[in-house]
Formats: sequence, C-alpha cells, structure tokens
Amino acid sequence: DQQVKQNSPSLSVQEGRISILNCDYTNSMFDYFLWYKKYPAEGPTFLISISSIKDKNEDGRFTVFLNKSAKHLSLHIVPSQPGDSAVYFCAASLINNNDMRFGAGTRLTVKP
Amino acid sequence: DAGVTQSPTHLIKTRGQQVTLRCSPKSGHDTVSWYQQALGQGPQFIFQYYEEEERQRGNFPDRFSGHQFPNYSSELNVNALLLGDSALYLCASSFERTYSTDTQYFGPGTRLTVL
Repeated sequence: DQQVKQNSPSLSVQEGRISILNCDYTNSMFDYFLWYKKYPAEGPTFLISISSIKDKNEDGRFTVFLNKSAKHLSLHIVPSQPGDSAVYFCAASLINNNDMRFGAGTRLTVKP
Repeated sequence: DAGVTQSPTHLIKTRGQQVTLRCSPKSGHDTVSWYQQALGQGPQFIFQYYEEEERQRGNFPDRFSGHQFPNYSSELNVNALLLGDSALYLCASSFERTYSTDTQYFGPGTRLTVL
C-alpha cells in the first residue's frame, strides 16, 4: 500500500531555472511532511519540512507547498544549481511518529 | 565529528542464512532507527531503538530483530533470508530530547544482496 507517491521518476532542468518536484499522498491523517535529498553512496539528508497547519514553508532557495484538500505537496527550487542534482524523496507521517512513509523518489538533474 | 556509520558497506548472503548489520550513531545521539530501501523505492521504516528497547516497529515480520547497546550503537538482525530482503539498509540516529523526524541523520547504508 503506497501511501506516498512521486509519479515522476526523473526531472531535468537548466541551471538557473525553477525545479518543481511533486508528491501525492492518500492518508488524510498525515500531518507532517518532509523532503530529503540523497546523493549517491550517501544517506538521505533532511531538506525542508511542513506541518499540516501551514500551506507554505520557505528556506532559502527551497519552498515546500502543501495542498491538503488535494493531498498534494511540491518542492520548488529557485534558482536550480548543478549541485542540486540528486534524488529527492518526499515523506509523510504523524507529527513525532517514527513511521515515516516515503515516496519512491525523483531524480533531479540540473544541467549547466 | 563522525556522522552515522554503518558496517559492512556491502554484503552477499544466500537464502535461509542470517545476517547482522551494524550502526554507530552520530556523536551525542541516543536513538537509532532502521529503514529498508528496496531498489527503485523509498526507505521503509523497520523499527526504532531508544534506551536499549524497541520503541516502535513498522510493518516487518519477526525475522527482523534488533538490539541497542549501552553505547547507543545498534544491530539489525535478519533471519531466514529471502530474496526479497535484498535492499539498502539505512540507519538513522537522533537525540531524544530534540527528536523529530527531521532531526534524524542517516548513514550511507549497507547494501545486502541475497542470492
């Protein structure tokens, strides 16, 4: 039962442009959402999060948007840089619940 | 300051065997979680250890067991290996007092191949 889905396995954008990564979830009980970035041969690293009481959270070049009615969240990276090339996972859970549910990931390639 | 370390890096076993994977948490961390990441999928939560006890468990059979030592390091044991157990096993550590899912630090993982 895949409760968190990332339907785009890959995304390629030009340096300086916006990258938009999407994520859908099915469980309306989820109230905390996270994005992780993963480079090859490294573990995932936390990028940004949002709780269900917000619809937007911003941290530098990274912004996460949450649409609870559509059960959809997205990560915007502006401007995209070649160093952003990595696999991005979205995850969802109940706040402070250890059982995070991850999507399958989207491989982002930012071309110089 | 060393981050989360895991050993071994790679491991090959045959069906029916048993395997033990090891994790040393980031310095100052006292909570360890284990995840399984199958090829082409996201990580799946196996269980979490705190104060040497399993605190929460995901949807994994009893063949998966763990242990946490007084120095906070942890082991993941898998018995009666199946082909489907082939995956990257990730360990994540955190500090209980500041615990939230976004304060977990992941190790690089152990790649287990079951033949």
